[in-house]
Amino acid sequence: GALVYQYPRRTICKSGTSMRMECQAVGFQATSVAWYRQSPQKTFELIALSTVNSAIKYEQNFTQEKFPISHPNLSFSSMTVLNAYLEDRGLYLCGARDGLGASQNTLYFGAGTRLSVL
Amino acid sequence: GQQVQQSPASLVLQEGENAELQCNFSTSLNSMQWFYQRPGGSLVSLFYNPSGTKHSGRLTSTTVIKERRSSLHISSSQTTDSGTYLCALGFYGSSGNKLIFGIGTLLSVKP
Repeated sequence: GALVYQYPRRTICKSGTSMRMECQAVGFQATSVAWYRQSPQKTFELIALSTVNSAIKYEQNFTQEKFPISHPNLSFSSMTVLNAYLEDRGLYLCGARDGLGASQNTLYFGAGTRLSVL
Repeated sequence: GQQVQQSPASLVLQEGENAELQCNFSTSLNSMQWFYQRPGGSLVSLFYNPSGTKHSGRLTSTTVIKERRSSLHISSSQTTDSGTYLCALGFYGSSGNKLIFGIGTLLSVKP
């Protein structure tokens, strides 16, 4: 079956430092990956949509300078939160689409990386 | 304004009662999905329902596109149904899938 692994599951970083989170697709080819953030007491916000061999599209209020994303192949994507501050805490989810499979409209989500900032 | 609105924000039930969760959207969509968010945060996909009615066990999802609404019905609720239920509008294009999430309904089922 199609699975998405995210790691680390939880991380704590000091204010002003950076942390990298990873997303691994297993059992399918992740032609596109969407990164979301759920801040405390809020719903999920789309950060950016990444498609292999295409430019990454960032949503309003999110920039490549703050959240650089790498999507080098069909099974892996990573995102870094640079200079993390309190407002960056929350649950970060990656959702990957199998653009080559039968269920092309299905997003498979990982369990998320929960970021705390001290 | 918000593209996806969910109601109620929270709901408390006694075990065995039914629940009706609503999702209204203000824009056209490609599809609608319902998710259950576990206490730890991970998402479980319940329904991919662009239109019509779908059933899965005690759960029923109905999407009426022209009325811009979708509902999730939980029958004979159980304590294990407690958690947050999210609806999400799906936009699909050549660049990938994009979901716009509602704020969620926090369901609490008491024994």
